[in-house]
Amino acid sequence: SQTIHQWPATLVQPVGSPLSLECTVEGTSNPNLYWYRQAAGRGLQLLFYSVGIGQISSEVPQNLSASRPQDRQFILSSKKLLLSDSGFYLCAWSRGGARIAKETQYFGPGTRLLVL
Amino acid sequence: GQNIDQPTEMTATEGAIVQINCTYQTSGFNGLFWYQQHAGEAPTFLSYNVLDGLEEKGRFSSFLSRSKGYSYLLLKELQMKDSASYLCAVGGTYKYIFGTGTRLKVLA
Repeated sequence: SQTIHQWPATLVQPVGSPLSLECTVEGTSNPNLYWYRQAAGRGLQLLFYSVGIGQISSEVPQNLSASRPQDRQFILSSKKLLLSDSGFYLCAWSRGGARIAKETQYFGPGTRLLVL
Repeated sequence: GQNIDQPTEMTATEGAIVQINCTYQTSGFNGLFWYQQHAGEAPTFLSYNVLDGLEEKGRFSSFLSRSKGYSYLLLKELQMKDSASYLCAVGGTYKYIFGTGTRLKVLA
């Protein structure tokens, strides 16, 4: 069966500090991978998605970046955090190989980030 | 443009039936998903509709009308544990567009 891991679960960081969040998927190959952010009481904002190693599409131009160094590893980074970066960060995967988003997405447990 | 609308909040009584509506206007459509999200947790998949009509899964049913850009999630025999946010999402090309979610409170 497939599982998705995210870490850390919780993070408190000062403004201007760097960030690295990691997501790994087990039990599947060539998944489509996604990073979302959810502000308190709000919906999911798509940040990045990837359909393969080294292939990253950005949805929101800001101080965040993403990388996919391995097939089942997805990393979200920032060089300098802003207060507005606080939120609940969710990684998700769906079955790859299809151009259209018709597969169910499965979400990781999330990382709660507080920037002070 | 891309737009998905859901009511912000709904309240219902334990044992009752509640219908959560979702309307969408998107440039592409490859199916409509419903997810449940308990406070502080990740969303979990509930249902998927790609053809018009009703899909039933136990106490949960989901309906789709593509010509009207409309879907609803029907929850029967409400239980306290159904208190959560319900997210409507449309599948596009590679990516999914989410509504802001409907927060459902189930009262005893």
